[in-house]
Amino acid sequence: SQQGEEDPQALSIQEGENATMNCSYKTSINNLQWYRQNSGRGLVHLILIRSNEREKHSGRLRVTLDTSKKSSSLLITASRAADTASYFCARGYGGTSYGKLTFGQGTILTVHP
Amino acid sequence: DGGITQSPKYLFRKEGQNVTLSCEQNLNHDAMYWYRQDPGQGLRLIYYSQIVNDFQKGDIAEGYSVSREKKESFPLTVTSAQKNPTAFYLCASTSYRGQGNQPQHFGDGTRLSIL
Repeated sequence: SQQGEEDPQALSIQEGENATMNCSYKTSINNLQWYRQNSGRGLVHLILIRSNEREKHSGRLRVTLDTSKKSSSLLITASRAADTASYFCARGYGGTSYGKLTFGQGTILTVHP
Repeated sequence: DGGITQSPKYLFRKEGQNVTLSCEQNLNHDAMYWYRQDPGQGLRLIYYSQIVNDFQKGDIAEGYSVSREKKESFPLTVTSAQKNPTAFYLCASTSYRGQGNQPQHFGDGTRLSIL
């Protein structure tokens, strides 16, 4: 299976703290993407990191990729109540996969004011 | 503003009935995708299409059908053969051309329930 795992399944923190979510996978990837989903809404793309990259930043978000360990992490610094959402990693395999992505189960993040 | 529009937001299906979920995009994207999301779960791919008049089955295509007659539109029909259709359905598109991946843009979903 090309499925991987995300952990933790749920994370509860206070505003101002950092939140770290992890994603592991089994098959070599072309890229890995992180998405956010607010309750009852569609997914919003956060960051795409390619297999030849090790780290990317976007505002308060930092994504790392370790292809030797087949894992990635998403760090949200100085979290806010508005960051409360589900976060998904998605693996892209390039080639003839027609842009398909394989999504993980997600991490539910709750940030308390 | 460019984006993806899914309709209706809520849909109810009776036993033995086929229902069609609409997905329209004005992003000029080539590739479109349908996903199913069950409570507390990730997304599973139902069907995808890279170009007009062509589409492929995803991981859970049984009980579903699609068409791609226009670049902007990718409707999904949930047939009576799908015995457990209650779920949140998400449509996405991307400017995929050839190798690699681009970010996918998502609609706000259709929640389908059984009457």
